[in-house]
Amino acid sequence: GQQLNQSPQSMFIQEGEDVSMNCTSSSIFNTWLWYKQDPGEGPVLLIALYKAGELTSNGRLTAQFGITRKDSFLNISASIPSDVGIYFCAGRTPYQTGANNLFFGTGTRLTVIP
Amino acid sequence: NAGVMQNPRHLVRRRGQEARLRCSPMKGHSHVYWYRQLPEEGLKFMVYLQKENIIDESGMPKERFSAEFPKEGPSILRIQQVVRGDSAAYFCASSPSREQGYTFGSGTRLTVV
Repeated sequence: GQQLNQSPQSMFIQEGEDVSMNCTSSSIFNTWLWYKQDPGEGPVLLIALYKAGELTSNGRLTAQFGITRKDSFLNISASIPSDVGIYFCAGRTPYQTGANNLFFGTGTRLTVIP
Repeated sequence: NAGVMQNPRHLVRRRGQEARLRCSPMKGHSHVYWYRQLPEEGLKFMVYLQKENIIDESGMPKERFSAEFPKEGPSILRIQQVVRGDSAAYFCASSPSREQGYTFGSGTRLTVV
């Protein structure tokens, strides 16, 4: 399958700080998705991006679809304790008949220190 | 409008037993995906199904693992003769089409003792 490099692997930050994480790929994607997974739960979709250059916000979260179509980043502003969790990027390759075409990054584990 | 329902939430099996994991997709979703997650690791794709058909099973081990999504009823992930290495969280996701975002269930945590 496709390799998505997600960084950093983990982050420890103080409450109130801003956070930035990113995903890169050697292949072109036509969709980028960002998910958050709370402990013991399934991933929840935060933001979906469908066009190169697109910048989308969801509350304190902002994500961008890189213009090369090979990367995406997620920013969280003014972090709060409930932002703790694992954040996954996912990229979708152009349509392939009979194959899964959504690939996940390895995740960024965020710890927010009150 | 219920989300993706997975059961059981927790499953304990002895080595050699069979594990059956169930997933009911969201209403209106005909595409189902199964993922495995080991502790402290990411999501590993296993299999993609669309009603009654397996579309892509490239991530599923060739032996002991099987999946189905019948015309009626939930999707089932079956693991025969479980081994300790099968212990993991198994997540199911569904989507209305393959080009839209996936909605995940809360997962089934399988422990093999």
